[in-house]
Amino acid sequence: GENVEQHPSTLSVQEGDSAVIKCTYSDSASNYFPWYKQELGKGPQLIIDIRSNVGEKKDQRIAVTLNKTAKHFSLHITETQPEDSAVYFCAASWGPSGYSTLTFGKGTMLLVSP
Amino acid sequence: NAGVTQTPKFQVLKTGQSMTLQCAQDMNHNSMYWYRQDPGMGLRLIYYSASEGTTDKGEVPNGYNVSRLNKREFSLRLESAAPSQTSVYFCASSEPAPEGYTFGSGTRLTVV
Repeated sequence: GENVEQHPSTLSVQEGDSAVIKCTYSDSASNYFPWYKQELGKGPQLIIDIRSNVGEKKDQRIAVTLNKTAKHFSLHITETQPEDSAVYFCAASWGPSGYSTLTFGKGTMLLVSP
Repeated sequence: NAGVTQTPKFQVLKTGQSMTLQCAQDMNHNSMYWYRQDPGMGLRLIYYSASEGTTDKGEVPNGYNVSRLNKREFSLRLESAAPSQTSVYFCASSEPAPEGYTFGSGTRLTVV
């Protein structure tokens, strides 16, 4: 089955700095790569996703890049703010199919200091 | 617009007790999932249901059973709780699967 590795496990930055979280996946058939943000006491929430036919996607201060050859993808957050502090999860899957499920990385705790 | 609703939010069980975690979604999604979240382990899939009437095992199904009662509801049952099942449990739904999961707010379960 799919295996997703995520690094780093914790990341501390100053407000205004950029933050980068990296993930690798094992299954070359995977074609869908979402990122989730989990705030304390809440369920994960989708913040951005990318498909294997796209190399990069951006949404305001958040961007995701994908390197299919190397089987890795990254989340980039620019101009970080204290409200960006949360746990971030990457995931991978193939599909679309009802019998496909997301495999998650172990998460990165991002701390943004004012 | 409730999304995915999980009950209860907190529960303490004694070893050997049974309980059912409830999940309901109002987005007309076909696919539903149960994950558990443990410190340093991320989110691990317990069971999922691709559509009403079907269920399949995930990565960590031992000690659990599920029921897809109808398109809206997907319950998770612990028949004989063990301390190793202390965790936060999340239900999610998606359409089309496996994209854009919507998660519930979770059930924090402690087994003593």
